[in-house]
Amino acid sequence: DAGVTQSPTHLIKTRGQQVTLRCSPKSGHDTVSWYQQALGQGPQFIFQYYEEEERQRGNFPDRFSGHQFPNYSSELNVNALLLGDSALYLCASSLQGNMNTEAFFGQGTRLTVV
Amino acid sequence: AQSVTQLGSHVSVSEGALVLLRCNYSSSVPPYLFWYVQYPNQGLQLLLKYTTGATLVKGINGFEAEFKKSETSFHLTKPSAHMSDAAEYFCAVIGGGGNKLTFGTGTQLKVEL
Repeated sequence: DAGVTQSPTHLIKTRGQQVTLRCSPKSGHDTVSWYQQALGQGPQFIFQYYEEEERQRGNFPDRFSGHQFPNYSSELNVNALLLGDSALYLCASSLQGNMNTEAFFGQGTRLTVV
Repeated sequence: AQSVTQLGSHVSVSEGALVLLRCNYSSSVPPYLFWYVQYPNQGLQLLLKYTTGATLVKGINGFEAEFKKSETSFHLTKPSAHMSDAAEYFCAVIGGGGNKLTFGTGTQLKVEL
């Protein structure tokens, strides 16, 4: 079992550009959540996808969007990048409807905006 | 809305000493509580969780936590610290609708010889 895999591991972008981050959930999981972790902070919930739809959303602007594919993998897109978007982006997979389930996290994508 | 507060952004202990990391929660409904550990440049790994039932929960690597409703606390303990425990620890809560995790700001644990 490969667990949750994220790609790329690191990337550097320029202000104003757009970026796409990718996540493959743990085998058997159907829900993907994205979190932003700024340096020295705890992860902040961005949104959650289940059945290819956004089910919950945190306090993030519309520049942050996502997608879930039929195989449950997911993408996080950020448009018009700002310096403040520099962070570790974590993907977590779980089973929808089961709050007892453990959320498994990927290693994250470190995004640096210059 | 639910939230967690972690007291102490940095905690330092000697190897072999007791580890105590504090977490208090706020939730309008019975919460589900979690402790995660994060090693440098890594994702998060679940240490333990409380959902229902026994209020003392045991996790991996010798850690345990006790859910105290009267004190709205979920402190993490380990009887004897090991150098490999040095990492950042996050308390998190699920409650009040949906299953998103709300994290605290983290506690950096340093273990000294």
